Amino acid sequence: KNEVEQSPQNLTAQEGEFITINCSYSVGISALHWLQQHPGGGIVSLFMLSSGKKKHGRLIATINIQEKHSSLHITASHPRDSAVYICAVEEYGNKLVFGAGTILRVKS
Amino acid sequence: NAGVTQTPKFRILKIGQSMTLQCTQDMNHNYMYWYRQDPGMGLKLIYYSVGAGITDKGEVPNGYNVSRSTTEDFPLRLELAAPSQTSVYFCASRLTSAIYNEQFFGPGTRLTVL
Repeated sequence: KNEVEQSPQNLTAQEGEFITINCSYSVGISALHWLQQHPGGGIVSLFMLSSGKKKHGRLIATINIQEKHSSLHITASHPRDSAVYICAVEEYGNKLVFGAGTILRVKS
Repeated sequence: NAGVTQTPKFRILKIGQSMTLQCTQDMNHNYMYWYRQDPGMGLKLIYYSVGAGITDKGEVPNGYNVSRSTTEDFPLRLELAAPSQTSVYFCASRLTSAIYNEQFFGPGTRLTVL
């Protein structure tokens, strides 16, 4: 079993829909990261969180440490949100363990 | 700031050849990482460094070597390239491992070994 599991693997949504991507992990962590990989391949960091909830624009990330689960929400989705969203956990230390990613396509 | 830069962007190697993937960051970050990304798989850590002169193995180090002689540069060396090393390679850097310090990624190097 992978340490980091993401669901769904693929997601197609209509523009304007509310989107949720889930991440479950099996180890103790110091932080969880959400990353976005653009169709051209570049990777950017969206959030780092160790508890609670963070919001940036239309993106919201939550984490439940007890349940070892995190969600990434996108409100009012837009075609430019189409990308691969990657969850990664940081074990105690400085190394990240990555999920396989969720491929999101938002249709107009 | 240019951030994290990688060269080359693309490369095709023959089996048994060697090459060095270059990575440079201009943010004075202490931590640097090399990852590989295979289709349908999560990024895997190859090697990392917490400062000049200090390197350590990640999850998949076999077939690779690194050095960190300066804060800015963290080259990845492939000796005796094999088809299993066909992948996209990403370099990343981070100021420290503190919770508020995100990782910055380079644009990637797409390597094919034939």
